[in-house]
Amino acid sequence: LAKTTQPISMDSYEGQEVNITCSHNNIATNDYITWYQQFPSQGPRFIIQGYKTKVTNEVASLFIPADRKSSTLSLPRVSLSDTAVYYCLVGSYAVDYKLSFGAGTTVTVRA
Amino acid sequence: GAGVSQSPSNKVTEKGKDVELRCDPISGHTALYWYRQSLGQGLEFLIYFQGNSAPDKSGLPSDRFSAERTGGSVSTLTIQRTQQEDSAVYLCASSLAGGPTDTQYFGPGTRLTVL
Repeated sequence: LAKTTQPISMDSYEGQEVNITCSHNNIATNDYITWYQQFPSQGPRFIIQGYKTKVTNEVASLFIPADRKSSTLSLPRVSLSDTAVYYCLVGSYAVDYKLSFGAGTTVTVRA
Repeated sequence: GAGVSQSPSNKVTEKGKDVELRCDPISGHTALYWYRQSLGQGLEFLIYFQGNSAPDKSGLPSDRFSAERTGGSVSTLTIQRTQQEDSAVYLCASSLAGGPTDTQYFGPGTRLTVL
């Protein structure tokens, strides 16, 4: 089971780029890295997923180094509405499917 | 379109009572997951279903917790003889096939308070 470690919190201002790094030293060969966002009183929602190198979509980028022991979620030009908890998930599919969410990073965006 | 729904949205019960929490996944999703989130904490994996079978029950906190899924659709999480430490938000998610690239779609959760 790949255990993940993230910073507990991060503060930023509107318009800045926010980078959140997740450590997963014992990631397995068939594990994928997925990030979710959670607002208060809501369930998490998918942001981005990757296996290696860089992935970009309309809301974020995900950077994964060659050794895959960490990953960095990058949120460009954040706004107040990006204030949320961000979770790093490392998972693989097997008969004994297991999931590991990090404790989450609370990102607070200020005006 | 219909997302994952959970009921009830809130449940207040007395210590020692049994509770049932229900999850309706997105139609056609074969994989279903239950998580627990205590106040201010991250998500704790409880159990995963692929169809009606649960290949991994290792996350269930104690033998007071059980879950079933019938017809490959609705799932119920049952907590017997509830304790105050069971108070949390219970989240259900579903995904298309349960593979590592699947996106999990979460429901709004059931907030359980044990007095």
